Amino acid sequence: EAEVAQSPRYKITEKSQAVAFWCDPISGHATLYWYRQILGQGPELLVQFQDESVVDDSQLPKDRFSAERLKGVDSTLKIQPAELGDSAMYLCASSPARERETQYFGPGTRLLVL
Amino acid sequence: QKEVEQNSGPLSVPEGAIASLNCTYSDRGSQSFFWYRQYSGKSPELIMSIYSNGDKEDGRFTAQLNKASQYVSLLIRDSQPSDSATYLCAVGMNSGYSTLTFGKGTMLLVSP
Repeated sequence: EAEVAQSPRYKITEKSQAVAFWCDPISGHATLYWYRQILGQGPELLVQFQDESVVDDSQLPKDRFSAERLKGVDSTLKIQPAELGDSAMYLCASSPARERETQYFGPGTRLLVL
Repeated sequence: QKEVEQNSGPLSVPEGAIASLNCTYSDRGSQSFFWYRQYSGKSPELIMSIYSNGDKEDGRFTAQLNKASQYVSLLIRDSQPSDSATYLCAVGMNSGYSTLTFGKGTMLLVSP
């Protein structure tokens, strides 16, 4: 069964350092999402891609976060510099063209900023 | 601002009982509704979707939708200890590049 892949699974960094997360969606899924989930909360959308284009990044803290999906397949989310409050689970999801709101999540990257 | 409300729980039920999880949403234009299960430390897993008023059954799970009351629920029959998890309700507009708005989730504990 096809799955969304993410790496790394865990990341510990010090504040002010740069971190990057990678996501490979299910093959053929044109829509890709990055979410942040703080413990005890639901996932919050950071950025949504349709193919290589950003269609929603209204909740992305653009002073420190950036995201790209250059070839419309895999994607990278970067944080520079990391802050203590960035500690969270970063989830990638993808959805097929015919069911855009049916989102399938990857295993996530758990980030701890010290 | 679109809001999705869930009781954080925990909801405790004995094994074999019916667990009832509830969710309300603020946007009357919402068209699609999803339930995700999330085990501790894991990512959300899609278990049910519903788009029309009424009930939708899949195995031990039944999703119920009432758009007039802006209410969606998930019933789990014959609850098992392995059902112990946080259940996330997600709501979408089902148009354009619409996104999902997630609730904070309800923790379900099924005791043997």
